Amino acid sequence: EDKVVQSPLSLVVHEGDTVTLNCSYEVTNFRSLLWYKQEKKAPTFLFMLTSSGIEKKSGRLSSILDKKELFSILNITATQTGDSAVYLCAVETNTDKLIFGTGTRLQVFP
Amino acid sequence: DVKVTQSSRYLVKRTGEKVFLECVQDMDHENMFWYRQDPGLGLRLIYFSYDVKMKEKGDIPEGYSVSREKKERFSLILESASTNQTSMYLCASSFPGRGGNQPQHFGDGTRLSIL
Repeated sequence: EDKVVQSPLSLVVHEGDTVTLNCSYEVTNFRSLLWYKQEKKAPTFLFMLTSSGIEKKSGRLSSILDKKELFSILNITATQTGDSAVYLCAVETNTDKLIFGTGTRLQVFP
Repeated sequence: DVKVTQSSRYLVKRTGEKVFLECVQDMDHENMFWYRQDPGLGLRLIYFSYDVKMKEKGDIPEGYSVSREKKERFSLILESASTNQTSMYLCASSFPGRGGNQPQHFGDGTRLSIL
């Protein structure tokens, strides 16, 4: 059965800390891995990763995929209170479906 | 900017009622999806559609049906609502993957309570 596992389930840090969120997967028909950020409303898209070892970066956020070991990490440097959210990892299959992990809840305190 | 609009942010219904959740997207996406999101379980796929009049069961279709009469609109129907269907419902849309790397875009969700 396909599955996506995120860790940790929750994380509490202070502003300025660096955090690493983990996502491992066992999915047949893998096409890509996606990260989303969810605050109170719609999950918003962060990154799509298709190739191993190529880091994607957007400001203080970065992500990388390892297709041999079947995992991805999302790094956030110099965290801010606005980074507080649930971060969702999902694997897209060749049939356009997304399989989600349960998410990591990040809380950043001043 | 892609916009996926769900008709209600909050909805309260009674057990046994027939419930309609509506979703409209404005980007001419072929694919549309319905998920439910529950604490500790993440997002789970209920139904999806690759095109008008087409529908496919997801991982948890029991107790639900869908309708896609127009490309931009995808409706989720709870035939006879039950309390275990109290949840957050999220709609998403996307282009087919073969056309390039395009993520699914989500609506804001409908928080449905069944009393």
